[in-house]
Amino acid sequence: AQTVTQSQPEMSVQEAETVTLSCTYDTSENNYYLFWYKQPPSRQMILVIRQEAYKQQNATENRFSVNFQKAAKSFSLKISDSQLGDTAMYFCAFMFDNTDKLIFGTGTRLQVFP
Amino acid sequence: NAGVTQTPKFQVLKTGQSMTLQCAQDMNHNSMYWYRQDPGMGLRLIYYSASEGTTDKGEVPNGYNVSRLNKREFSLRLESAAPSQTSVYFCASSVRGRNEKLFFGSGTQLSVL
Repeated sequence: AQTVTQSQPEMSVQEAETVTLSCTYDTSENNYYLFWYKQPPSRQMILVIRQEAYKQQNATENRFSVNFQKAAKSFSLKISDSQLGDTAMYFCAFMFDNTDKLIFGTGTRLQVFP
Repeated sequence: NAGVTQTPKFQVLKTGQSMTLQCAQDMNHNSMYWYRQDPGMGLRLIYYSASEGTTDKGEVPNGYNVSRLNKREFSLRLESAAPSQTSVYFCASSVRGRNEKLFFGSGTQLSVL
């Protein structure tokens, strides 16, 4: 069975600083997708960034970037210039290329302090 | 744009009662999903529907039934609610393919006493 592990239940960072959230996964497949979702207190799930496993280049979306290490099965999220609005739960998720099922990690609660 | 709409937003049930959570999407998506979110457990897939007329079990299907009424609507039914089903329930939808990403509803907070 595929698993997604987020080993940091809680993280904190000061505004304008950089923080990295960790995620590891376990699969024997070669083709898959990885995602980071943000869940603010409003409870809405918001896609932050997406990475295709066949792409070697790390995905970037404005202040958000990933460090995708396929051999190590690691997919960390870096948030640069942290803002108060980044305070939320962050979930790492995995999906096979040929299925519709998204498997989530247990989440990391990020608190950004002024 | 409404996106994914879930009703109700909050519900309290007594053990043994039944209820149906409703979900509708207006994005013409093929795939729809029901997840539950529990503290420390992340989101776990209950059931999903890859297309109209098909449904499949996810990680935690026991105690639930689903109906894909049409392309827009995907309902989740609890026939005999149990305290272990106290959770936040999310409906989601997506377009199948390499641009896959999920659009989520705003969730239903369900408490079973």
